[in-house]
Amino acid sequence: GAVVSQHPSWVICKSGTSVKIECRSLDFQATTMFWYRQFPKQSLMLMATSNEGSKATYEQGVEKDKFLINHASLTLSTLTVTSAHPEDSSFYICLGRAGNEQFFGPGTRLTVL
Amino acid sequence: QKEVEQDPGPLSVPEGAIVSLNCTYSNSAFQYFMWYRQYSRKGPELLMYTYSSGNKEDGRFTAQVDKSSKYISLFIRDSQPSDSATYLCAMFAGNMLTFGGGTRLMVKP
Repeated sequence: GAVVSQHPSWVICKSGTSVKIECRSLDFQATTMFWYRQFPKQSLMLMATSNEGSKATYEQGVEKDKFLINHASLTLSTLTVTSAHPEDSSFYICLGRAGNEQFFGPGTRLTVL
Repeated sequence: QKEVEQDPGPLSVPEGAIVSLNCTYSNSAFQYFMWYRQYSRKGPELLMYTYSSGNKEDGRFTAQVDKSSKYISLFIRDSQPSDSATYLCAMFAGNMLTFGGGTRLMVKP
């Protein structure tokens, strides 16, 4: 199957700092990118959906000014967690979609101290 | 009522057993159905992908879709300890992608 990479795979940061997570589709063009968050032992929770070149659509309860999503190209989407707090500590996963197929990135574990 | 319902488990079976994992859904607009496997601290990986009602087989895995009943299943034959993971069903229509909550499977040697 197609490959989606995520970087970094694990990040630890201090409260108040911003963290950028990159998601790249390596061998296909992701027209749509979904960003999910997963807390321990819980299911995936959709944060936002972005189409290449358009503004992201955020799910209810997700602050768009806190979680900045950029999908500037068909192979790269970024999620920036601004002014991170300990409650933002979670596993963030991107899902790239092209046509009827979609592939997850390996995930980024964010720990905010 | 959630759009996609999936029993969270855990489901514990002995090695070699046949495992049946299921999801029900309420939105008849869903057209594409997927099963993902997620190991602890890893991203989900796609196992099976189906469009139409019926069965699709891939090795030890069989995905079954019954659109009339809004019910999908994943069967694992000759289950192995390495199959121990959380299995997520997912389905989408248009730009709407919805996941089940996942079923945790434990295969004991």
